[in-house]
Amino acid sequence: AQKITQTQPGMFVQEKEAVTLDCTYDTSDQSYGLFWYKQPSSGEMIFLIYQGSYDEQNATEGRYSLNFQKARKSANLVISASQLGDSAMYFCAMREGLGNNNDMRFGAGTRLTVKP
Amino acid sequence: DGGITQSPKYLFRKEGQNVTLSCEQNLNHDAMYWYRQDPGQGLRLIYYSQIVNDFQKGDIAEGYSVSREKKESFPLTVTSAQKNPTAFYLCASRRRGTNTGELFFGEGSRLTVL
Repeated sequence: AQKITQTQPGMFVQEKEAVTLDCTYDTSDQSYGLFWYKQPSSGEMIFLIYQGSYDEQNATEGRYSLNFQKARKSANLVISASQLGDSAMYFCAMREGLGNNNDMRFGAGTRLTVKP
Repeated sequence: DGGITQSPKYLFRKEGQNVTLSCEQNLNHDAMYWYRQDPGQGLRLIYYSQIVNDFQKGDIAEGYSVSREKKESFPLTVTSAQKNPTAFYLCASRRRGTNTGELFFGEGSRLTVL
């Protein structure tokens, strides 16, 4: 069964505007971690933000914030004040279970294009 | 600077040949991973290793093999048994005991079978 679902294959946003990238997940574990990664055209995966299942506050890292809705099993990424350099693939990922020794599963990704 | 080095960046292989992709890290991380990425798809886990001399199969291990003789190195061999090996391969590592446990990735190796 698909653990991570990203329903938006592609998204467009105007420079300086905010954009939300959707991510839903499926797990029966109470303890899990959610991650977002950015993949520019160079291919490298860049870690952006992390949300633990027990974290009460939504995670924020600079212009990135994670809209965590646990009951809906949703972990959307919000990018504020988009920049041209934000154009890339974005992947949502999840690690299930306690600690961090389990493997990580990724969604299919969303290609974001920022328009000038 | 610390990081993960994958080589080669681009590799061409004839059908029926085995090929080994190198992954070296100087981050002193315990766990290492290999993922495969196909166009328009997310990353799929091939193999992972939590400690030296130990590794586990991921979701798509058939046709691949790995070794973990040193903490710093986790090479992946794509064997002739892999039916569709053309893909982008990413190696990653993670330090155990961190709160978030995010993966650090190399720049990837693109394998093309001719």
